[in-house]
Amino acid sequence: QQQVKQSPQSLIVQKGGISIINCAYENTAFDYFPWYQQFPGKGPALLIAIRPDVSEKKEGRFTISFNKSAKQFSLHIMDSQPGDSATYFCAARSSHQAGTALIFGKGTTLSVSS
Amino acid sequence: GAGVSQSPSNKVTEKGKDVELRCDPISGHTALYWYRQSLGQGLEFLIYFQGNSAPDKSGLPSDRFSAERTGGSVSTLTIQRTQQEDSAVYLCASTMNLNGETQYFGPGTRLLVL
Repeated sequence: QQQVKQSPQSLIVQKGGISIINCAYENTAFDYFPWYQQFPGKGPALLIAIRPDVSEKKEGRFTISFNKSAKQFSLHIMDSQPGDSATYFCAARSSHQAGTALIFGKGTTLSVSS
Repeated sequence: GAGVSQSPSNKVTEKGKDVELRCDPISGHTALYWYRQSLGQGLEFLIYFQGNSAPDKSGLPSDRFSAERTGGSVSTLTIQRTQQEDSAVYLCASTMNLNGETQYFGPGTRLLVL
């Protein structure tokens, strides 16, 4: 499987600050890049996703920035809140391989201090 | 139920014993995935089912792992002769169909092998 590399492993941000999590991928066939949010004791839940035909997608306080040439994408959380404290996973897959599983990064544990 | 359910939520077993983990996908979802989440390792794909097609078993780590899906709905993941390194959270996800991108995860089964 092609790897998706995620950084940092953990992140501490003050309330109101910007949280930034980065991911890099290798497989140029990937064309779907979701971010999942996971709270302790729960399964991951889709937060936001992007396709490489756009460079940015925003939903509320959450923004994905995508750099196709660098094969990198990042999640920005604006005005971070304590309720955003969770583990975040980036992932990737190729829609040309329908039904294949998502390839996940190793996750980033975000703590937002109040 | 509205979401993916998994049982048991927690399982403690002794090394060498067999365990069965159950997943009930969202009603009507034809694709079902199993992942393993080890501490600090992200989500590792294990196996995928789509309708009546042969499952994609490419992620199973050894022949001690097997899974079945009865009637196109409920799935059981079986681990035979468990080892301590099998300790992890086992997550199940379902999607609407073969091309469904959003994977809906269950809460997982936390397996501890003593």
